[in-house]
Amino acid sequence: AQKITQTQPGMFVQEKEAVTLDCTYDTSDPSYGLFWYKQPSSGEMIFLIYQGSYDQQNATEGRYSLNFQKARKSANLVISASQLGDSAMYFCAMREDTGTASKLTFGTGTRLQVTL
Amino acid sequence: KAGVTQTPRYLIKTRGQQVTLSCSPISGHRSVSWYQQTPGQGLQFLFEYFSETQRNKGNFPGRFSGRQFSNSRSEMNVSTLELGDSALYLCASSSDGRNQPQHFGDGTRLSIL
Repeated sequence: AQKITQTQPGMFVQEKEAVTLDCTYDTSDPSYGLFWYKQPSSGEMIFLIYQGSYDQQNATEGRYSLNFQKARKSANLVISASQLGDSAMYFCAMREDTGTASKLTFGTGTRLQVTL
Repeated sequence: KAGVTQTPRYLIKTRGQQVTLSCSPISGHRSVSWYQQTPGQGLQFLFEYFSETQRNKGNFPGRFSGRQFSNSRSEMNVSTLELGDSALYLCASSSDGRNQPQHFGDGTRLSIL
């Protein structure tokens, strides 16, 4: 069975600093996808970044990058130059790539607070 | 391109009633998934529909059901509501293919009195 672990319930970071949110996963499938989502207090889930298990390079999207270490089964999200608007819950999620299903398994999330 | 639209945003029901939630996916997306989010259990997968067929199901009782129409719009129904069904229900759509992310709507917040 798939499992996603986020060990940091809450994190604080100063504005303009970088922050790393941890995510480890467990799966026996050789093919899978890893996602990060942001959930502001309003509730919507915003897709941030994706990493495929066979991707050779770490994914980057603007200020977001994913530190993918396959052997360690970790997929940490790095946010550079934090902004006040980055304050939110962040969820790591995994999808098994059977090609016929889109079920996501989520971690418990990390609440990020950006301070002045 | 319009995002995923969920209606209604908020809903208050009493125990024993039933409820129907609606989700309109992003145009062109044929896969629609539903998730339940609660403080205690976090985000849990309910089911996924693709081309009007349920192709994946989570571990929820039969009181939770869904369907998808030919235009890919989806509805989720919960019958005989219980207090524990109070949650944020999120709908997500994606285009077909392995690397495609799921895009979520704003959710329907259901409160059971």
